Amino acid sequence: QLQLQESGPGLVKPSETLSLTCTVSGGSISSSYHYWGWIRQPPGKGLEWIASMYYSGSTYYNPSLKSRVTISVDTSNNQFSLKLTSVTAADTAVYYCAKHVWGCSGGSCYAWFDPWGQGTLVTVSS
Amino acid sequence: EIVLTQSPATLSLSPGERASLSCRASQSIHTHLAWYQQKPGQAPRLLIYDASNRATGIPARFSGSGSGTDFALTISSLEPEDFAVYYCQQRSNWPPLITFGQGTRLEIK
Repeated sequence: QLQLQESGPGLVKPSETLSLTCTVSGGSISSSYHYWGWIRQPPGKGLEWIASMYYSGSTYYNPSLKSRVTISVDTSNNQFSLKLTSVTAADTAVYYCAKHVWGCSGGSCYAWFDPWGQGTLVTVSS
Repeated sequence: EIVLTQSPATLSLSPGERASLSCRASQSIHTHLAWYQQKPGQAPRLLIYDASNRATGIPARFSGSGSGTDFALTISSLEPEDFAVYYCQQRSNWPPLITFGQGTRLEIK
C-alpha cells in the first residue's frame, strides 16, 4: 500500500525558504503514469494546489506561486521535495504531498490526488 | 482560470437522511471532476474521480454525477462518520492549473 510522509521544519522565519520533503513508501516514485504533487491548506481555510511533477522531470506550477516555488525529485531515495522562497505569514499552512493522476482526454484534462500524506503544519513567524 | 463554486456552504442533516452537494464549474470540464472528504485534523480522502467513479474502498452510499458544468455528490443515507467537509476539484487544460471548490461543511442537525 502506497504511503506518503511529509517532513521538514515546522517553523520558518519571514523572508526565508520553506523546504519540505515527501518520502514515498510501498511503491516506486518512478512508476509510470504517476505524478507527485504538493497542496496546502491555511488554518481554517480551503485547499490550494502548489505544484506537481513527473519523475522524469516534467513540472507544473500554480501560476500564483510559480515565481517562488521549485519541486524536485530524488529517485534514489524515493522522495520528492518542495522549496518555497521569500515566505510570509500568508504561507502558514498545512502542507500535503500526494500522488496523483494527470492526463487529458475528450478535449479536457484531469487530475486527482490519491493517496495523500498526513500533512505537516508550517508556521511562518519570527 | 476555471472557478468551482460549491453549494451550500453548510448543510445540516441528520443521520439516515440523504445529502446532496453541488459543484458548479465556470466553464465545461467534461466529466473531469473529483470529490474529496476531509475530517478535522486529517488529510483529504479521494471519494469520486471523473465525476462518477468511486475510489477504492469508498462505500456505495457515495455517488457522483454530472458533466459539463454541473456536478453533484450524493450520500444516500448519512452515517455518523460522514459529517465532514467536502471539496470538489478540477484541472484546467492550459495553463495546467488545479483548483478546488471552497468546500461544503456537512454538519449534524
